[in-house]
Amino acid sequence: SQTIHQWPATLVQPVGSPLSLECTVEGTSNPNLYWYRQAAGRGLQLLFYSVGIGQISSEVPQNLSASRPQDRQFILSSKKLLLSDSGFYLCAWSRVSQPQHFGDGTRLSIL
Amino acid sequence: QKEVEQDPGPLSVPEGAIVSLNCTYSNSAFQYFMWYRQYSRKGPELLMYTYSSGNKEDGRFTAQVDKSSKYISLFIRDSQPSDSATYLCAMSLNSGGSNYKLTFGKGTLLTVNP
Repeated sequence: SQTIHQWPATLVQPVGSPLSLECTVEGTSNPNLYWYRQAAGRGLQLLFYSVGIGQISSEVPQNLSASRPQDRQFILSSKKLLLSDSGFYLCAWSRVSQPQHFGDGTRLSIL
Repeated sequence: QKEVEQDPGPLSVPEGAIVSLNCTYSNSAFQYFMWYRQYSRKGPELLMYTYSSGNKEDGRFTAQVDKSSKYISLFIRDSQPSDSATYLCAMSLNSGGSNYKLTFGKGTLLTVNP
């Protein structure tokens, strides 16, 4: 069976610091991978998706970037965090034409 | 007009009740419909997935899609306290068979009281 791991579960960072959130998927190959942000009262916002190694599509221009260095690894990064980057970040995976499955997220607080 | 509208609740019901959760959408091109359950501080968990009008049943859960009215529902029979969570509807276009971009409702918070 397939599993998805995200870490860390909780992160507190100062404004202006860098960020690296990691997501890995086990039990499948060549998955589609996604990063979402979920803000209170605002639903899930798709940030990035990837259909293969090195292939990243950005949905929302912002202070964040994503990379896919390996088939089942997806990384969300920032060089300098803003207060507005606070939120609940979710990674998801899917096979083509199949629904997405989510990890348990990282709760990011910016101070 | 938002693409997907979902009543945020909160919805509070007694144990054993039948729960009805609903979403309406404006884009008639949506073809795939999903319901996710999200417990507090956890990621969404896929409950139901359908791509046609009509009903789909899985245990105590029934998903209903009415494409002519652009309306989807999730029914929970014999609701349990463990069903207490936020329920998110989601939908996507039929774009060459891909299913990349989900459009989510904002979620309905359900509490089932013992």
